[in-house]
Amino acid sequence: QQPVQSPQAVILREGEDAVINCSSSKALYSVHWYRQKHGEAPVFLMILLKGGEQKGHEKISASFNEKKQQSSLYLTASQLSYSGTYFCGTEWGGGADGLTFGKGTHLIIQP
Amino acid sequence: DAGITQSPRYKITETGRQVTLMCHQTWSHSYMFWYRQDLGHGLRLIYYSAAADITDKGEVPDGYVVSRSKTENFPLTLESATRSQTSVYFCASSGGRRGSQYFGPGTRLLVL
Repeated sequence: QQPVQSPQAVILREGEDAVINCSSSKALYSVHWYRQKHGEAPVFLMILLKGGEQKGHEKISASFNEKKQQSSLYLTASQLSYSGTYFCGTEWGGGADGLTFGKGTHLIIQP
Repeated sequence: DAGITQSPRYKITETGRQVTLMCHQTWSHSYMFWYRQDLGHGLRLIYYSAAADITDKGEVPDGYVVSRSKTENFPLTLESATRSQTSVYFCASSGGRRGSQYFGPGTRLLVL
């Protein structure tokens, strides 16, 4: 089952913060986050494994709430380069290999 | 250091024709994947391979065939192309079953 991402789209001014959520109805083993710019391939950001860990990458961090089966991606003090579509990809404990992706969240950063 | 490459980058074909999309990676990653990306659906897994000569179906395998005789190559064949297979196809590779996936640049396929 496809994870649900919210919001579908968000427009921010440079320097503002954003949160993107990814929810699953099935028990998750891990959540992967990717960013894709228009006409390009998805680029890996980070993986979170079950256990409620939080990871960070510069001003982009993420958390994984195992109880809620939800992951959130936090973009702090957004930069123009953060614009793009963000996808979460999920793995289930007993599932097949490969990721099930959400439909994506379109992020537009304006100067 | 090419990483992961796909060819062709763009392809136009006609309904009923056979088409093969190529994927090559230089990292010796054991896992390779094929996804298609369509508006409104996001990325969907077609087939994946855990190693040479080991392949398995993903979410949307109908109409596609894969093979993996060498670790570095993972071709995807559309046996008889249909208009519904018009899409952007991404190949990805990973060093492990649960590892991060690295995507190729994609092939844009139009079936007329």
